[in-house]
Amino acid sequence: GENVEQHPSTLSVQEGDSAVIKCTYSDSASNYFPWYKQELGKRPQLIIDIRSNVGEKKDQRIAVTLNKTAKHFSLHITETQPEDSAVYFCAARGVNSGYSTLTFGKGTMLLVSP
Amino acid sequence: GAVVSQHPSWVICKSGTSVKIECRSLDFQATTMFWYRQFPKQSLMLMATSNEGSKATYEQGVEKDKFLINHASLTLSTLTVTSAHPEDSSFYICSAPRGGSHNEQFFGPGTRLTVL
Repeated sequence: GENVEQHPSTLSVQEGDSAVIKCTYSDSASNYFPWYKQELGKRPQLIIDIRSNVGEKKDQRIAVTLNKTAKHFSLHITETQPEDSAVYFCAARGVNSGYSTLTFGKGTMLLVSP
Repeated sequence: GAVVSQHPSWVICKSGTSVKIECRSLDFQATTMFWYRQFPKQSLMLMATSNEGSKATYEQGVEKDKFLINHASLTLSTLTVTSAHPEDSSFYICSAPRGGSHNEQFFGPGTRLTVL
């Protein structure tokens, strides 16, 4: 099955700096890569996603890049703000027993200091 | 976006009892729903795929007799933790894709289960 590795596990930055989180996946058939932000005790919220036919996608301060050949994708947050502090999960979607299922990375705790 | 609810939001139970958690898609129909378990400071682990009108598909290592799943309708899936033990204490989250499992998944708010 799919295996998703995520780095780093924790990331501390100063407000205004950029933050980059990287993920790799193992199944070349995976075709959809969402990123979720989860605050303590709350549900994961989709912040951006990218499909395998696109190399880059941007939404204001957030961007995601995908390298299908190398099977890795990255989340870039620019001009970080304290409210960006949360745990971020990458995921890869492939087909599992006939259903499209998500495999999550282990998460990155982002701390943005004012 | 689509709305998915869960009930209860938290539950405390004694060891050996059973606990039922409901997952509802409020403004769309979901033939497929997913159940995840999340331990503190860990990732979401897929437990099973719930299918309306058929048996659930369980991930390797998940006991189907312990975690009973029933997809009663196109808007409701339930997860019953039978004979709960302290090691079952976790955050259980469901998700539902709108329009098929290949679409974006919308997550419920989660249920915090504590087994004493």
